[in-house]
Amino acid sequence: GAGVSQSPSNKVTEKGKDVELRCDPISGHTALYWYRQSLGQGLEFLIYFQGNSAPDKSGLPSDRFSAERTGGSVSTLTIQRTQQEDSAVYLCASSSQGAPTEAFFGQGTRLTVV
Amino acid sequence: GNSVTQMEGPVTLSEEAFLTINCTYTATGYPSLFWYVQYPGEGLQLLLKATKADDKGSNKGFEATYRKETTSFHLEKGSVQVSDSAVYFCALYSQGAGSYQLTFGKGTKLSVIP
Repeated sequence: GAGVSQSPSNKVTEKGKDVELRCDPISGHTALYWYRQSLGQGLEFLIYFQGNSAPDKSGLPSDRFSAERTGGSVSTLTIQRTQQEDSAVYLCASSSQGAPTEAFFGQGTRLTVV
Repeated sequence: GNSVTQMEGPVTLSEEAFLTINCTYTATGYPSLFWYVQYPGEGLQLLLKATKADDKGSNKGFEATYRKETTSFHLEKGSVQVSDSAVYFCALYSQGAGSYQLTFGKGTKLSVIP
């Protein structure tokens, strides 16, 4: 596609429910990143994919967070048993190389846990 | 570890005023430096970058010079416009063992008034 596409753009969920956030990167981009942007905070790195593997998942805050990527394209970030502190904007980015020197970001999914 | 510190906002300027947003960093190795911009309702966009000392990144009238001696990458623009109102993020990438993450500052919100 023309840019990085994320869905849904907004998600409101009840505490304790599971959510799935989707990222469709730019066609041909092998590298994919997930970040989290909390109110008043900078962007927090979550996970990096190169193809379908995740050589750096050091930013996942707990075992309730997981992500996968299939076919070297679409990625899904799953948050299980959501908590209020999970409320944030979740951003996805992709780049044509492993190093994020030219990463393109999606518009994000705003997650609100009530 | 890597970190980025940028000036606290919000910053409010009149149109045609001079803009400086300070950014300093700490990093292992030899980082690449970036400024990203997030316009209201839009995704994060790369504004400019510099990959080695004394490089000057420039775009849309904005400039930033990679100063290794002061570990700084301050963003400047000589004459801001209302359309420059956005949140600006300073970031770095320093390739380490298995690390592919961009490290971001907390962002500086700029409002330009006519």
